[in-house]
Amino acid sequence: AQTVTQSQPEMSVQEAETVTLSCTYDTSESDYYLFWYKQPPSRQMILVIRQEAYKQQNATENRFSVNFQKAAKSFSLKISDSQLGDAAMYFCAYRSATRGGSNYKLTFGKGTLLTVNP
Amino acid sequence: NAGVTQTPKFRVLKTGQSMTLLCAQDMNHEYMYWYRQDPGMGLRLIHYSVGEGTTAKGEVPDGYNVSRLKKQNFLLGLESAAPSQTSVYFCASSYSRARGSNQPQHFGDGTRLSIL
Repeated sequence: AQTVTQSQPEMSVQEAETVTLSCTYDTSESDYYLFWYKQPPSRQMILVIRQEAYKQQNATENRFSVNFQKAAKSFSLKISDSQLGDAAMYFCAYRSATRGGSNYKLTFGKGTLLTVNP
Repeated sequence: NAGVTQTPKFRVLKTGQSMTLLCAQDMNHEYMYWYRQDPGMGLRLIHYSVGEGTTAKGEVPDGYNVSRLKKQNFLLGLESAAPSQTSVYFCASSYSRARGSNQPQHFGDGTRLSIL
């Protein structure tokens, strides 16, 4: 079974600074997807960014980018120019790319609570 | 565009009571999921469905039942609520693999359920 580990229960960053959230995962599969979801106090689960394992290029979405190291099974999220609205719980998630409905489930890490200080 | 809608948003039950959580999606997604979120645990899959009339167990299915009689709806039932089922419940939906293999899941806003 796959596992996802977020080793930082809490992080803080100054507004306008850069912060990196860590995520490691364990899998024996070669084809999979990785996601970062943001959960603000409103409780919504918002997709921030996704990465296909077969792609070597790191995904980027505006101020959000990832550092995907497949051999090391590491998938960190970098937030540049942090804003107050970035304050939230961030979850790293894994999904297998093999066929079958059960492999569409997401395996989540326990989350990292990000505080942005003005 | 409503996306994924969960009802109710909050509910308090007494031990032994039953209730049904409703999830509705208007994106014509084939797959639907129920997760529970507990402090320090992340989200864990309870049950899922790959199409109308089909359901399957996830990681933590005990004490729950589900039904998917219509493609757009996925119901989660608690037959005899227990305090251990106090949690925040999330419904999600996604397209099937046939639509493209990297389809993300879209989540509802969650239901906070307390069992006394």
